[in-house]
Amino acid sequence: AQKITQTQPGMFVQEKEAVTLDCTYDTSDPSYGLFWYKQPSSGEMIFLIYQGSYDQQNATEGRYSLNFQKARKSANLVISASQLGDSAMYFCAMREPGGGKLIFGQGTELSVKP
Amino acid sequence: NAGVTQTPKFRVLKTGQSMTLLCAQDMNHEYMYWYRQDPGMGLRLIHYSVGEGTTAKGEVPDGYNVSRLKKQNFLLGLESAAPSQTSVYFCASSQIGTGDQPQHFGDGTRLSIL
Repeated sequence: AQKITQTQPGMFVQEKEAVTLDCTYDTSDPSYGLFWYKQPSSGEMIFLIYQGSYDQQNATEGRYSLNFQKARKSANLVISASQLGDSAMYFCAMREPGGGKLIFGQGTELSVKP
Repeated sequence: NAGVTQTPKFRVLKTGQSMTLLCAQDMNHEYMYWYRQDPGMGLRLIHYSVGEGTTAKGEVPDGYNVSRLKKQNFLLGLESAAPSQTSVYFCASSQIGTGDQPQHFGDGTRLSIL
């Protein structure tokens, strides 16, 4: 069965520093997609970044990048130059084949300290 | 830019009551999803639809029914509410179920069952 694991319930980072949020996944399908979403305290789900299983390069979107290690089945989110507004829950998700369903990890709560 | 709109935003029900949550999207997306989010957990899929007139079960479908009579609307029904259904409910939509197309989420419905 497909599964997403986020082992860090909570993380702290100093403002302007970089932080890595861990995500490991398990699937037997060769074709899959990995997504990261941000959920601030206001509750909405904000799409951050996507990595496809066949993508040769790590995805980047502004201050967000994805450290994709396919052999290790990990897709860690790296946030550079943390800002106070980055304080939120972060969810890693994997798209299942057929229907586009997402399987979510448990989330990591990131707190950025001034 | 409305995107995905969920109605209502908050609701309190008594055990045994019924209600319908409405999700509307204005992006002409084919795929729509209902998730629930419980404390300390990621989102879990309840039901989904890959097009008008279709529905399918997700990971936690028991106690819920859905309908997709119009492409832009996806309704989630609770026939006889139970305290275990107290949760935050998210609707999402996407154009297709593959590739880098992310799911776009509504702002959520906070439902309490007393």
